[in-house]
Amino acid sequence: EVQLLESGGGLVQPGGSLRLSCAATGFAFTSYAMTWVRQAPGKGLEWVSSCGKTGNKYYADSVKGRFTISRDISRTTLYLQIDSLRVEDTALYYCAKGGVGESGLDSWGLGTLVTVSS
Amino acid sequence: QSVLTQPPSVSAAPGQKVTISCSGSSSNIMSNYVSWYQQLPETAPKLLIYENNKRPSGIPDRFSGSKSGTSATLDITGLQTGDEADYYCGTWDSSLRGGVFGGGTKVTVL
Repeated sequence: EVQLLESGGGLVQPGGSLRLSCAATGFAFTSYAMTWVRQAPGKGLEWVSSCGKTGNKYYADSVKGRFTISRDISRTTLYLQIDSLRVEDTALYYCAKGGVGESGLDSWGLGTLVTVSS
Repeated sequence: QSVLTQPPSVSAAPGQKVTISCSGSSSNIMSNYVSWYQQLPETAPKLLIYENNKRPSGIPDRFSGSKSGTSATLDITGLQTGDEADYYCGTWDSSLRGGVFGGGTKVTVL
């Protein structure tokens, strides 16, 4: 059974940093792209970043230069380093297995909440 | 403003059919696979349709997807109260080199 467990969210001041983690189990981690999607309170889904199975990395324009996606194959864990946080980054951050333009995001975690506020 | 355009809401009576449209462009829907997601209240999204028209295991055939040119469509037949949710289309945009979602459509069962 595929399981994705996000952690690392919290309350942070504008300009601060957080590192989100997504522990993945139940599938061959290196055989799939992995994606971060966020959802601001009461809003729709926003694609944030993807890491292809060959290691290629992609970012939304809204986070480029501030967010860094990475993965630790030995720990089967996906990360999202988020720096220079802004109020508008406040959202529930989901980790998902797959790529949105490939075979879809077929498994999702429950999300970790990031709140940016002074 | 989302790259993909969906109607904010659709509604129908139980047992009826609803159709949700997703309009994009040559750099996203026309060139890449479309997937659809169902988000029940206070839950994580769930994949309903992938590669334009395929259903993951466990998704009933009441849900079907199609794509033509720069648009995609999700049909839900035999509408049930449990189908009340937000529905999102998603795909890759080759010009933006990133993923894109529609703004979401709220389905209400009357």
